[in-house]
Amino acid sequence: EDKVVQSPLSLVVHEGDTVTLNCSYEVTNFRSLLWYKQEKKAPTFLFMLTSSGIEKKSGRLSSILDKKELFSILNITATQTGDSAIYLCAVEPRGGANNLFFGTGTRLTVIP
Amino acid sequence: DAMVIQNPRYQVTQFGKPVTLSCSQTLNHNVMYWYQQKSSQAPKLLFHYYDKDFNNEADTPDNFQSRRPNTSFCFLDIRSPGLGDAAMYLCATSSGINEKLFFGSGTQLSVL
Repeated sequence: EDKVVQSPLSLVVHEGDTVTLNCSYEVTNFRSLLWYKQEKKAPTFLFMLTSSGIEKKSGRLSSILDKKELFSILNITATQTGDSAIYLCAVEPRGGANNLFFGTGTRLTVIP
Repeated sequence: DAMVIQNPRYQVTQFGKPVTLSCSQTLNHNVMYWYQQKSSQAPKLLFHYYDKDFNNEADTPDNFQSRRPNTSFCFLDIRSPGLGDAAMYLCATSSGINEKLFFGSGTQLSVL
C-alpha cells in the first residue's frame, strides 16, 4: 500500500535555528514528491521534486530527494516566527491520474 | 486504516450531467473540507463545514454545492460539470480550524 511518513510530528525551535523535516515514502511507480506549507485552511505549494540529488532552493527553504533511499528532506535556515505552520509532504505516483498521497505533516512552531 | 475515505476513486461524467462525490471520516473531526486540485498545482479550497456551518470560498462557482448530513459524511455536488471542472477533488478533515489536515486519497473526475 502506498504511504508517506513524516517526522517529527511536531517541532519547537527558536528564531534563527535551522530545522530539517523528513519525509519517507513507499509508492508504486513514483512520479514526484511535493512539499506544501499549510497555514490556516489551505496548503501552499513549496517544491516539486522529481530527480534524486538535485537541491531545490527558495530563499531560506531548500529540499532534496533521494529516490534510492525513498526519502526527502526540507530544510529551513534562520527560522522566523512566520515559518510556523504545518509542513505537508505528498507523493504523486505515475498512472495518468494525479492522485496525491499525503503524509500526516510536521507542525513547526518557531518561538521568538 | 483509512481515516478519510473518498468514493469513487475515479468518476467519469458527461458535460452538463450532475455528479456527486462522497467523503466519509472515522476521525470524528469537526471540520470537513473540499478542495479542487489540477495537475501540479496546490489544492484550491472550495468550501468547508465547521460542524453544520457551511463556509463557501468567495471564488467558488455556484455550480459547486455541498452537503453534510452528519459528522461523518460530506458530499460535493457539481450541478452542471464543464470540461474545466475535470480535476482531482480532495476531501480533508481537521479537528478545528488551523489544525492539521487529514486528506482522503481523492476522486479523479473526468468530464466527457
